[in-house]
Amino acid sequence: GDSVTQMEGPVTLSEEAFLTINCTYTATGYPSLFWYVQYPGEGLQLLLKATKADDKGSNKGFEATYRKETTSFHLEKGSVQVSDSAVYFCALRLLTSGTYKYIFGTGTRLKVLA
Amino acid sequence: DTGVSQDPRHKITKRGQNVTFRCDPISEHNRLYWYRQTLGQGPEFLTYFQNEAQLEKSRLLSDRFSAERPKGSFSTLEIQRTEQGDSAMYLCASSSSRQANTEAFFGQGTRLTVV
Repeated sequence: GDSVTQMEGPVTLSEEAFLTINCTYTATGYPSLFWYVQYPGEGLQLLLKATKADDKGSNKGFEATYRKETTSFHLEKGSVQVSDSAVYFCALRLLTSGTYKYIFGTGTRLKVLA
Repeated sequence: DTGVSQDPRHKITKRGQNVTFRCDPISEHNRLYWYRQTLGQGPEFLTYFQNEAQLEKSRLLSDRFSAERPKGSFSTLEIQRTEQGDSAMYLCASSSSRQANTEAFFGQGTRLTVV
């Protein structure tokens, strides 16, 4: 079935370090791909998205490229800040039988140390 | 409009009691989703509405769960005879079918604790 696999956390980095959070997916159709971020006690906020192969989503210094050949959508940031500490969810959206459905990975917790 | 609003933010209930949660989507959004998130996991799909029609229900949604969206605006999720396993964060999201490739916007969730 359709699924999203993320690298397990927590990922602990020092401030200004380079971040990569891996995400791969399995889907029967042509999904749109998303990264959402969740801060403690909060709901999910959209971080970035890509709707077709080779699209690059970017926001707040984060980037991810939709790679259809490797079914991946890895999240990267060149220099993390303490304020980036949160849980990051990779998700796909599929249209099946007239219904849009989002499928999420299990999330990766990022801790950034000053 | 400040986004998707959920009420209450927190609910503690005794096992066997009924609970009801409310979601107010972004006003122009016709699609509404309910998800459940347990500790350390990603959100899991529960059900989906387009306008007032409930178009899909997950197998996770047992017969103790019921969701409504009577006028195509706000939605309620009711859990009858709660069990400890129902303890989770219940997330509501909305989106619009009138804009291509629009993403879902999530509320802050209702955290349910069944004791």
